[in-house]
Amino acid sequence: AQRVTQPEKLLSVFKGAPVELKCNYSYSGSPELFWYVQYSRQRLQLLLRHISRESIKGFTADLNKGETSFHLKKPFAQEEDSAMYYCALGSGSRLTFGEGTQLTVNP
Amino acid sequence: EPEVTQTPSHQVTQMGQEVILRCVPISNHLYFYWYRQILGQKVEFLVSFYNNEISEKSEIFDDQFSVERPDGSNFTLKIRSTKLEDSAMYFCASSPRHINPGTGVELFFGEGSRLTVL
Repeated sequence: AQRVTQPEKLLSVFKGAPVELKCNYSYSGSPELFWYVQYSRQRLQLLLRHISRESIKGFTADLNKGETSFHLKKPFAQEEDSAMYYCALGSGSRLTFGEGTQLTVNP
Repeated sequence: EPEVTQTPSHQVTQMGQEVILRCVPISNHLYFYWYRQILGQKVEFLVSFYNNEISEKSEIFDDQFSVERPDGSNFTLKIRSTKLEDSAMYFCASSPRHINPGTGVELFFGEGSRLTVL
């Protein structure tokens, strides 16, 4: 069975500092991984997907199959990055979400 | 920009009552989903729906739950006899294509319907 783990429920950094949100997964097949974000009072929305190897709003995430990780990184955090971040694994027609990490970027 | 809409935003019901949560997916999307999030817990998959049939359902989606696409626009989740543990935020989502490996298909979520069972 697939599983996604986000070890940090809360993460607080200062503006301009680097940030890394950790995600580890367990899946026997070829993983399809995503980061979703939920800003305050807004809906859950896709931030980025590993298949695209994209950088969105300065965020990147690299799939490391050896470590079964898909950590989300940004070199210089901004206050507007404060949000709930969910790592998710796609399999079949479902997404399996991690517990989420609440990121707070302080001025 | 088209969005998934859900009604009601909040519903309070008595244990044992039937509840219907409604969703209007994005109009050209073909795949529909329900997820739920109990307070303080993970977002959990309930069911996926395509071509007027359930594609996949989780172990949570038991006989008390059903989904329907009664017309060309609505997608509903019915809970036949609510229990206290059904209290959660229910999210509807839609996608233009199937979540096939290698496609990176995005799910578009609604804002959620908060269900409180007393």
